[in-house]
Amino acid sequence: EIVLTQSPATLSLSPGERATLSCGTSQSVSNNYLAWYQQKPGLAPRLLIYDASTRATGIPDRFSGSGSGTDFTLTISRLEPEDFAVYYCQQYASSLAITFGQGTRLEIK
Amino acid sequence: EVHLVESGGGLVQPGGSLRLSCAATGFTFSDYWMHWVRQAPGKGLVWVSRIDKDGSSTRYEDSVRGRFTISRDNAKNTLYLQMNSLRAEDTAVYFCARVAHWVNDYWGQGTLVTVSS
Repeated sequence: EIVLTQSPATLSLSPGERATLSCGTSQSVSNNYLAWYQQKPGLAPRLLIYDASTRATGIPDRFSGSGSGTDFTLTISRLEPEDFAVYYCQQYASSLAITFGQGTRLEIK
Repeated sequence: EVHLVESGGGLVQPGGSLRLSCAATGFTFSDYWMHWVRQAPGKGLVWVSRIDKDGSSTRYEDSVRGRFTISRDNAKNTLYLQMNSLRAEDTAVYFCARVAHWVNDYWGQGTLVTVSS
């Protein structure tokens, strides 16, 4: 099983600032099969990024993904009030078991 | 518009069973793999199971293998999760999610399963 470790656990920033969220994997993720999701309280997750760097339909361009191998990053260039939420990375390179990171909580400073 | 609506959650005693359903509308259900993902209260997301387009291939997370069964009825546009021998640690919100390009592009609102005596 590929284990995903997200850092930091909590990130405190102000609207307008840049957010950088990290996701490390215990094994190299083939084909960069890594996705990012946003989840707000009481709601289902929303797909933001797949294949490490491809934005999903309707996702604003302030969200970007990068990385390869075992180190991946989600960057939000200028935080909007609606961006404060929990973010999860997910690997889908292993068809036997898809795994998620434990999440990064992005909170208003 | 794509909609996924889960149902069937509730309170069940340890060792009991429940069957969750996920009704799909707004897309050709039989063209997509589907997942179940769960989230314990205050915790993160955990993938539970997946099924291919016609139900011929399934996969399970280790802790549910042998106890949970995923299935689908493409004529009824419905996904199922039969959960047997339930444990306290199975308490969670269960989401169904469509799979597109291997990722979950649409999710239901979730249904809460509580395992407690």
